[in-house]
Amino acid sequence: QVTLRESGPAVVKPTQTLTLTCSFTGFSLSTSGMCVSWIRQPPGKALEWLARIDWDDDKYYNTSLKTRLTISKDTSKNQVVLTMTNMDPVDTATYYCARTLKDGSAYSFTDWGQGTLVTVSS
Amino acid sequence: SYNLTQPPSVSVSPGQTASITCSGDKLGHKYTCWYQQKPGQSPITVIYEDTKRPSGIPERFSGSNSGNTATLTISGTQAMDEADYYCQAWDTNTAIFGGGTKLTVL
Repeated sequence: QVTLRESGPAVVKPTQTLTLTCSFTGFSLSTSGMCVSWIRQPPGKALEWLARIDWDDDKYYNTSLKTRLTISKDTSKNQVVLTMTNMDPVDTATYYCARTLKDGSAYSFTDWGQGTLVTVSS
Repeated sequence: SYNLTQPPSVSVSPGQTASITCSGDKLGHKYTCWYQQKPGQSPITVIYEDTKRPSGIPERFSGSNSGNTATLTISGTQAMDEADYYCQAWDTNTAIFGGGTKLTVL
């Protein structure tokens, strides 16, 4: 059974750096084709993809947020960490991590965490 | 940048067929996924790679993708299907989501 759980601060101040951890079970990020993505959703708004890290340590970022994002993995701990710098109130959102499977040329978000709400406020 | 367009809302009567569209330039050349999200819950995948259903997803959910439009079809819609639905595709290693469609079953 695959599970993912996001953890991190519920509140951050403007200009601070946000660090979120995705802890997962049921799969290994060292397995070919396995990836983990971060996705966020502002209250009442649509989903927005942030970043993806692949089993081979390739990393991909949302172009408009690329300068603020860093994604990394610790395969031995089954964790993926996302940092976002220079937080702003518009970054207030529920942040999800999702297992992402590569099948040929297709990538799919197959399993999602419960999400963690991050509020940016002074 | 690549965009996916969905209708903001779709209404359907119980037992009828609901169709939710997702439009994008040459979308038929990309794989499309569909996610269902109920209030206060995380999204779940209902369709991946255009037409495939994950285990546990009812057969009444189906997908198609051709030309510039992908479609999620729910046959024999039930009250429990009322939710927000998001389409998603990849464009040069960037995941793009549609704006979401609120499906109302009334």
